Formats: sequence, C-alpha cells, structure tokens
Amino acid sequence: KQEVTQIPAALSVPEGENLVLNCSFTDSAIYNLQWFRQDPGKGLTSLLLIQSSQREQTSGRLNASLDKSSGRSTLYIAASQPGDSATYLCAVKDNNNDMRFGAGTRLTVKP
Amino acid sequence: ETGVTQTPRHLVMGMTNKKSLKCEQHLGHNAMYWYKQSAKKPLELMFVYNFKEQTENNSVPSRFSPECPNSSHLFLHLHTLQPEDSALYLCASSQGREPTEAFFGQGTRLTVV
Repeated sequence: KQEVTQIPAALSVPEGENLVLNCSFTDSAIYNLQWFRQDPGKGLTSLLLIQSSQREQTSGRLNASLDKSSGRSTLYIAASQPGDSATYLCAVKDNNNDMRFGAGTRLTVKP
Repeated sequence: ETGVTQTPRHLVMGMTNKKSLKCEQHLGHNAMYWYKQSAKKPLELMFVYNFKEQTENNSVPSRFSPECPNSSHLFLHLHTLQPEDSALYLCASSQGREPTEAFFGQGTRLTVV
C-alpha cells in the first residue's frame, strides 16, 4: 500500500522568502502526483499536476518537481506572500485510480 | 468553484439517525472518491468508484454505505454513527486512468452527537 510522507509538518516564514515543501512516497509505480492547497475548513484546491513521465511543472510562483525513481516531489514557492498561508497536500495516484495523501505541511507566511 | 458540489455543507446528527451525503460533478469524470478528514490526521481514502463500479473499500465500517447511481452522482449513506465519525467528508472526481487533475468539493462538516 502506498504511503505518502510530507516534511515539514509545519513551516513559518517571513513574507518574501522562497521555500520548499517535500513529499515522498514508497511505491514509485505512480500514475501522477498532484499538489493541493487547503484553507481551514474548506475543500482542496488543485495547484499542480505532474504526470509520471514529467520532471516538473510550473504555475506562476509555484514549481513542482518529480523524481519518480527516488519517490520524491518538491513544491517550490517563490517570493512567499501572506495569502499563501494554508495547508499544502500532495497526493499520489496509482494505476488503479487510488489517490493517497500525505498529512500535509501547514504553511504560515508572516507579513 | 471546482465543478464538484457537495451537500449539505454542515450536518449534525444523532447516533440513531440515518442521513445521506451527496456529491455531484458535471465535469465528465468517470471516477469519484469519498475521503474522511479528521483533525490532525491525513486524508483517509474511504471509497473509489471507477465507471460506477466500486474498486476500493478501505476497511470502512458498514455504518458507511456508498452509492453511485451514475457517473455524475455519488452518495454516502450514514446510519448509527459514532461520535468519532465526526469529521470533514470530502468528495473528489477525476478522469480515471488519465493523467488529469482531480477536483474536490468543499466538503460536508459532519458532527455526530
């Protein structure tokens, strides 16, 4: 069974800093990996999707990388803003359509 | 708005009640999911439906009963729940077996009293 781990569990940075969130998974036979953002009490908002054949995806200030062989993905956030404060979740989808999530990284960006 | 709608948004029910959660998507997706999110715990995959067929049941207690009458609708029927079942229940959909994004609803906040 796929296990997904996210480090760190929580992160607090001053506004303007660049930061990296980490996601690791135990089974490299994945279909894709998706990064989500969740605000308190709300649903999940999709940020980036990386297909298993891709190495990275970019959207605005966000860049996600994937190293399938080592079971790792990173989410890079450039020039962080207070509005980026949220919980960031990574999910790994396998060939059976199961999507497994990490516990998330709770990010606080201080003004 | 993600295209996945969950109702109700909030639900309070007694342990002897029967209620249902509803999820609806009109994205043309053929895979739908139920997740449970408890405080300070990872999202737990409960059920997966591919093309209206249940393909995953993660040892979920029988007091939770899913139903997928068509590829656009997914229900979670609840009966004789326990207080520890209080959580945020999230529905998601995706285009199964294709490398496209999954989308989530806003969730139903369930409180069992």
